[in-house]
Amino acid sequence: EVRLVDSGGGLVQPGRSLRLSCAASGFPFDNYAMHWVRQAPGKGLEWVSGISWNSVRIGYADSVKGRFTVSRDNAKKSLYLQMNSLRGEDTAFYYCARSEIFADPASHIDYWGQGVLVTVSS
Amino acid sequence: DIVMTQSPDSLPVSLGERATINCRSSQSVLYSSNNKNYLAWYQKKPGQPPKLLIYWASTRESGVPDRFSGSGSGTDFTLTISSLQAEDVAVYYCQQYYITPQTFGQGTKVEIK
Repeated sequence: EVRLVDSGGGLVQPGRSLRLSCAASGFPFDNYAMHWVRQAPGKGLEWVSGISWNSVRIGYADSVKGRFTVSRDNAKKSLYLQMNSLRGEDTAFYYCARSEIFADPASHIDYWGQGVLVTVSS
Repeated sequence: DIVMTQSPDSLPVSLGERATINCRSSQSVLYSSNNKNYLAWYQKKPGQPPKLLIYWASTRESGVPDRFSGSGSGTDFTLTISSLQAEDVAVYYCQQYYITPQTFGQGTKVEIK
């Protein structure tokens, strides 16, 4: 069974940093691209970042470029999102998700984690 | 960036009736090399992660009821629920995965009339 378990969320002050993690199981992690997608309270889905299976190709939404860094450790079957200079508008549920390919064009996201809440507030 | 625009924002439908959601992309998501549209549809319920319904614009994901269907090509796409069931109450999103950044529509809330 495919499982993606998000962790690392919480309350953080504006300007501070937070690191999210996603532990994968039930599939060959190093054969898949991974993504982070978020949903702010009462808002729609927003793709945040993607990373290819070998970390060669990485992409970000304009709203987080220069502040967020995605990475992965295939040996640990884990995905990470380092979030720096956090703002109130970064408050959201963050979901890790997988797809077969991350490129232009890519492939569809087929599995999602349960999500973790990040709240940016003083 | 490709902008995805859905209509309507809210869709009240009677049980057993048809629900039709439209999605338009600001540029084509049809890849000429393989004639595939890089467009997916997701269902989102409160407290749950999104669920993949349709990919390549018209391919139903395994396990998804056949009352869900997708159509369209290029820049105009449609998700149809042929006979609305109570469990279909949710917000539906289209997403393009043709060009980075991948982008979602704003969502369409389907509710019971």
